[in-house]
Amino acid sequence: NAGVTQTPKFRVLKTGQSMTLLCAQDMNHEYMYWYRQDPGMGLRLIHYSVGEGTTAKGEVPDGYNVSRLKKQNFLLGLESAAPSQTSVYFCASSFQSGRYNEQFFGPGTRLTVL
Amino acid sequence: AQSVTQLDSQVPVFEEAPVELRCNYSSSVSVYLFWYVQYPNQGLQLLLKYLSGSTLVKGINGFEAEFNKSQTSFHLRKPSVHISDTAEYFCAVSETSYDKVIFGPGTSLSVIP
Repeated sequence: NAGVTQTPKFRVLKTGQSMTLLCAQDMNHEYMYWYRQDPGMGLRLIHYSVGEGTTAKGEVPDGYNVSRLKKQNFLLGLESAAPSQTSVYFCASSFQSGRYNEQFFGPGTRLTVL
Repeated sequence: AQSVTQLDSQVPVFEEAPVELRCNYSSSVSVYLFWYVQYPNQGLQLLLKYLSGSTLVKGINGFEAEFNKSQTSFHLRKPSVHISDTAEYFCAVSETSYDKVIFGPGTSLSVIP
């Protein structure tokens, strides 16, 4: 049981490049989330999904897109990376809503945009 | 709107001493409250949560927290810390009718041998 996994673990991009971060969970959770973590700001929600085929905006969605084509996967895309998107990205999942259920987090992806 | 304040960004404490990490939130409605811990180079793990009932909540690794509605606080305590408790601690809040969780900025706990 791997829990929540994220690919890749590290990435360096140049301004304007695109990339996709992959999150996978093997716990059959309905809800999945993408957060970014910046020093002194805690975690901020980018996008989330309440089930396969659904997505919704979080607190800081601009510059990101997501897709949830399969229940176990949640993809985060950056179409045109900017230095302001340098951050650590965490994916999480929960059985039902994370507002009252434990969220299980992946190990994170450290992204640097030059 | 919801917000979470963790007044102390860094807390150094000697091994076997007690510790309290403070968390205050702003919300005009009923809330659920969480403490998560992040060990170096790892994702977050749930320490404990308050949904309803007893205001004193016990979690893993000897931690506990007390919900104080009048003070809008949810402080985390441990009577005797260990070196392995060195980590970042995040308080989080969600409203009972709002499908998002808001995280505080975190408190870095350093346990000194």
